[in-house]
Amino acid sequence: GAVVSQHPSRVICKSGTSVKIECRSLDFQATTMFWYRQFPKQSLMLMATSNEGSKATYEQGVEKDKFLINHASLTLSTLTVTSAHPEDSSFYICSATGQGYEQYFGPGTRLTVT
Amino acid sequence: GQQLNQSPQSMFIQEGEDVSMNCTSSSIFNTWLWYKQDPGEGPVLLIALYKAGELTSNGRLTAQFGITRKDSFLNISASIPSDVGIYFCAGQKVDSGGSNYKLTFGKGTLLTVNP
Repeated sequence: GAVVSQHPSRVICKSGTSVKIECRSLDFQATTMFWYRQFPKQSLMLMATSNEGSKATYEQGVEKDKFLINHASLTLSTLTVTSAHPEDSSFYICSATGQGYEQYFGPGTRLTVT
Repeated sequence: GQQLNQSPQSMFIQEGEDVSMNCTSSSIFNTWLWYKQDPGEGPVLLIALYKAGELTSNGRLTAQFGITRKDSFLNISASIPSDVGIYFCAGQKVDSGGSNYKLTFGKGTLLTVNP
């Protein structure tokens, strides 16, 4: 149980375009979902926290207008990187919590902006 | 954002050896967790620690939650080649809004096991 999926697993987009990443909880209802970014050889850095039906809470330094987060249902959250630039190339990982506090992580999405 | 101090950054060991890594923080955490991440994948939870002083084992893995709630260590005994990967510690505590439990990750320890 407690499986989280992400789609796509890899995406390449051109600079200036937008790309959407989906995070789904497959076998539980996720009251809270978290989005992380991980640059090569670095740790996971929390970008934002989203609760179903509420606006996401962004960490300091993360542009909310650039990284749009939607958590419209208890099993789906989306992260849209708008007007992507090469420096946005990174590994994006989501996690989800159900009734408890344990975070279950997705497999990650590798974004490459050319 | 805040990060935990995790050491060592990397380790090269021979199969069969034991390995130890630790994390320290200037902040108190309610929970300490240890994750393993393989290349191109998300982190997988290895051990979770909920009480100060708690010592928990999971197979060849043993971890302890420091008495001060500001540190934790992870030991791996009798290492095998599949132990290769990046190990992250993480501290969890409620956010300033009081409703979400956030994770703060260490910088990771890259473990290489030579057969």
